Amino acid sequence: AQKVTQAQTEISVVEKEDVTLDCVYETRDTTYYLFWYKQPPSGELVFLIRRNSFDEQNEISGRYSWNFQKSTSSFNFTITASQVVDSAVYFCALSEAGGGSEKLVFGKGTKLTVNP
Amino acid sequence: DAGVTQSPTHLIKTRGQQVTLRCSPKSGHDTVSWYQQALGQGPQFIFQYYEEEERQRGNFPDRFSGHQFPNYSSELNVNALLLGDSALYLCASSLVRTSNEQFFGPGTRLTVL
Repeated sequence: AQKVTQAQTEISVVEKEDVTLDCVYETRDTTYYLFWYKQPPSGELVFLIRRNSFDEQNEISGRYSWNFQKSTSSFNFTITASQVVDSAVYFCALSEAGGGSEKLVFGKGTKLTVNP
Repeated sequence: DAGVTQSPTHLIKTRGQQVTLRCSPKSGHDTVSWYQQALGQGPQFIFQYYEEEERQRGNFPDRFSGHQFPNYSSELNVNALLLGDSALYLCASSLVRTSNEQFFGPGTRLTVL
């Protein structure tokens, strides 16, 4: 069975600090996708990134970066120079690939609060 | 380009009642998935519809049912509501050939009293 664990329930930082959100996953599939979504107070899930299990290159997008390590089954998310607008709940998710299967298995989320 | 829309925004029902939630997918998308998000939890997959048929189902009882219309919009029906059905219900749409690229709507907040 697939499982996603986000051990950090809540994190509080001061603006401009760097923060890393941890994600550990379990799957028996050899091919799968990993995702990060942001959920602001409005409730809508905002897609941030999708990573294929065959692509272990780290990715950077502006202040966001992702570190995918297959050896430790981790897909961590770092926000550099955090801003108040980054305050939200962040979810890591996993899905099978192939066969049109698109079910997402989510972690319980990490609530990030960035204080001015 | 309209994103995923859901209605209503909020809903209050009493135990034993039935409820219908609605979702219109993002323009060009043909697949709709429904998720239940209890307070403080991550979303949980309920089911997915493609070509008006249920493709995949999560671990939810038969009280949860759905439908997809020819225009790809979808409904989620919940019968015999329980207090534990109180949650945010999220609809996500995608295009089956791109797989795994899901866009979420703002959700419907259901409160069961």
